[in-house]
Order: sequence, then structure tokens, then C-alpha cells
Amino acid sequence: DTEVTQTPKHLVMGMTNKKSLKCEQHMGHRAMYWYKQKAKKPPELMFVYSYEKLSINESVPSRFSPECPNSSLLNLHLHALQPEDSALYLCASSQEAYTGELFFGEGSRLTVL
Amino acid sequence: GQSLEQPSEVTAVEGAIVQINCTYQTSGFYGLSWYQQHDGGAPTFLSYNGLDGLEETGRFSSFLSRSDSYGYLLLQELQMKDSASYFCAVRDPNQGGKLIFGQGTELSVKP
Repeated sequence: DTEVTQTPKHLVMGMTNKKSLKCEQHMGHRAMYWYKQKAKKPPELMFVYSYEKLSINESVPSRFSPECPNSSLLNLHLHALQPEDSALYLCASSQEAYTGELFFGEGSRLTVL
Repeated sequence: GQSLEQPSEVTAVEGAIVQINCTYQTSGFYGLSWYQQHDGGAPTFLSYNGLDGLEETGRFSSFLSRSDSYGYLLLQELQMKDSASYFCAVRDPNQGGKLIFGQGTELSVKP
């Protein structure tokens, strides 16, 4: 199994809603990541978890809250988002943190109204 | 500062060879990776160069020269399905080891 699965694939939410994005991998990878990607732009790193501990937070606003319940799961909790937060949110994993090979999920396309 | 430079667009015909260059300026360097992303899809890892030289994987090859802070991705026998965005990425140990992506090169393969 070489997949990273993300749910939901699409999400529309209002600015007062609370929602969560979910990510799962069963490759035994010890590092998991959240990236944000706008159209025609490269992925931007948001968070890195290594061995289930948050190791990098790229100064992301607190309306985004990551959670790593176990080594296979990664969540991103969303609350009071702004329309400019609309983007593709990509989850990725790698054998260890700080390797050059990341496995990305298909992403969750978020629209904030 | 830190930056990765790659061409924004490249156009080529089926069966041709195309080279996508990447120059980088980062405070530290572990290696250069390449990713492919089709419209609406996820980035997919293509190759990694940690040392100078050429790495070949089927129709795709990647090259690195650390002394020149330069690398390239070479795509041979182009196919229509190779139309996609290609990102180079550098892992910078002085930035917490995070992967820094270039702006991407949009490759269009014409019949």
C-alpha cells in the first residue's frame, strides 16, 4: 500500500463553520505533512509531524489546528476560516522527516464562502 | 535569502527531448528533488539527487552540480501524458530541513 488517502475530496464551508480534514497512510512512514496549494503555485508547507510530534509550524494562523492521533493519521481542524484560505490542502508522508521523497495525497479542495 | 529559479513554461512536441533547469540559492543544501503534478492531481515524486551527477529512471533523468547550485530534469521521448507542472525542490537543513519548492514549470507537449 503506497497511498496517502485524504478525506473529504471537496469541502465548502462558511466562515463560522468548524470542519476537519483527514489524512491516512499505511506505509509505516514516521513523518507527515500538511501543505497548502493555490492554483498555479507550488505547495506551501504548513506543518510537519515527526514521530507524532509537531516539529515545524510555518507560522500558520491559529484558525488551522493540526492533530496527529497516531503514526498513521493526521488531521487538520479548521475554524473561522477566511475566503482567502480557499485552496487545495495536501497531506504528505515520508519515511523520516527531512528526506527528499514525499508521498502526497490527492488533496482536499476547500472553498470558504 | 533563498530562491529556486526554473522556467515558468516549456513547450515541446511528442517524441522530443526537453530539459527543465533549476538553479537554487539556499542557506543550506541536502539534495534536489523533482516532482510532477498533473492538473487537479497530487504532486508525484520523480527523482532525488544528493550527490553530483546524473540519475536515470526510465525516460526521465535528473542531474545535479552542487558547485554550480544547478540541476535539471531531462525528459526523453516525450508523450502527451507528460504535459504537467514540474517542481524542483531543495531540502535546506538551515530551514529546519523543510522542502523548499520552486515555482514550477508548466510543460505542454504538442502532437
